[in-house]
Amino acid sequence: GAGVSQSPRYKVAKRGQDVALRCDPISGHVSLFWYQQALGQGPEFLTYFQNEAQLDKSGLPSDRFFAERPEGSVSTLKIQRTQQEDSAVYLCASRQNNEQFFGPGTRLTVL
Amino acid sequence: GQQVMQIPQYQHVQEGEDFTTYCNSSTTLSNIQWYKQRPGGHPVFLIQLVKSGEVKKQKRLTFQFGEAKKNSSLHITATQTTDVGTYFCAGRRDTGNQFYFGTGTSLTVIP
Repeated sequence: GAGVSQSPRYKVAKRGQDVALRCDPISGHVSLFWYQQALGQGPEFLTYFQNEAQLDKSGLPSDRFFAERPEGSVSTLKIQRTQQEDSAVYLCASRQNNEQFFGPGTRLTVL
Repeated sequence: GQQVMQIPQYQHVQEGEDFTTYCNSSTTLSNIQWYKQRPGGHPVFLIQLVKSGEVKKQKRLTFQFGEAKKNSSLHITATQTTDVGTYFCAGRRDTGNQFYFGTGTSLTVIP
């Protein structure tokens, strides 16, 4: 079956712009995670959803970051007033039986 | 910041040599997972370890979880060029759903 998909795959934004990153998890997966991966680093946890409930958002670096999953399937990560330090790959993962299935990521470059 | 450290950061081996990466956490973990990320790709789940002192094997890969559940290792016997990539451990604490990814070990296999 289809894996986790993310769009866009690449996004270039000017500093100060808002961006929205989309994640389509594997159908039926209750748990969904967002991670930020800087170049040469491991993924860093941003937020976690169980169905539509955002149970943990402790990893969101600032109040400019917002995530939602209104119907318990597709999730959107929104970054307002982007800054250069937001440049990274944003990974989405859905989980079943403790195994996390990662999407291909969205590479965000903020100029 | 990263709370799970891995060593070494980089490893170059001749094809056929063995390879080991070590993962250390500052806190006790409920379980630990290992992922492989190919250059330009996304993390792919390899295995999960749960029990203290647990050892699991997957063909040429051997995974260990320390007795104190604060460290883990991945050993690859007789490396092949297909083993190239970055190997991450990801630990989960007793509370919460988030996984803390390690800093990763980048493996290069020289044919």
